[in-house]
Amino acid sequence: DIQMTQSPSSLSASVGDRVTITCRASRSIANYLNWYQQKSGNAPKLLISAASSLQGGVPSRFSGSGSGTDFTLTISSLQPEDFATYYCQQSHSLFTFGGGTKVEIK
Amino acid sequence: VQLAQSGAEVKKPGASVKLSCKASGYTFTAYYLHWVRQGPRQGLEWLGWINPNSGGTRYAQNFQGRVTMTSDTSISTAYMELSSLTSDDTALYFCARSTPLGVRNFDPWGQGTLVTVSS
Repeated sequence: DIQMTQSPSSLSASVGDRVTITCRASRSIANYLNWYQQKSGNAPKLLISAASSLQGGVPSRFSGSGSGTDFTLTISSLQPEDFATYYCQQSHSLFTFGGGTKVEIK
Repeated sequence: VQLAQSGAEVKKPGASVKLSCKASGYTFTAYYLHWVRQGPRQGLEWLGWINPNSGGTRYAQNFQGRVTMTSDTSISTAYMELSSLTSDDTALYFCARSTPLGVRNFDPWGQGTLVTVSS
């Protein structure tokens, strides 16, 4: 099984900050990496697919990069509505989620 | 495109639960349906998928022998049955759609069904 390790598990940031979340796969997954946002127990929402492809309607302050084993989700200027938990997911070999990163207000 | 899930369930240890996920707004047989769960204050755990076109399934190793996924194409509905429930199965269960091929992201998701296992 492919393990996905996210870091940090939580972070505190202010509105306007640049935020970076990393996700590491236990072996190469090419670009089979998706990012989701989840707010308060609601269903997750797809933000980025195939490591860097922004989904329609997702603000351009979100971006994704990486390939192989190391991936990054960046929020260029944190907005109040971005406080949530973010998950990475590999879809190269079945499906595995990272442990999540909770973004909290500083 | 929407996925509408059935209502909350309360079950006793050892029982089974069967959840439903009704799809609308797209061709039901053109996409896979996945089941994902989230325990209290925990992360996301994938249980498996069903291909409604063929009825084929693939389950996560942790749930093999205990989970059964089925679908009824006449009403565009997928089902997930989990047996031999324990308190560890208390969780919010989601269904989600993916393409059969490619990167296979999950979009959209159902609203979730809360399953509580308690004696």
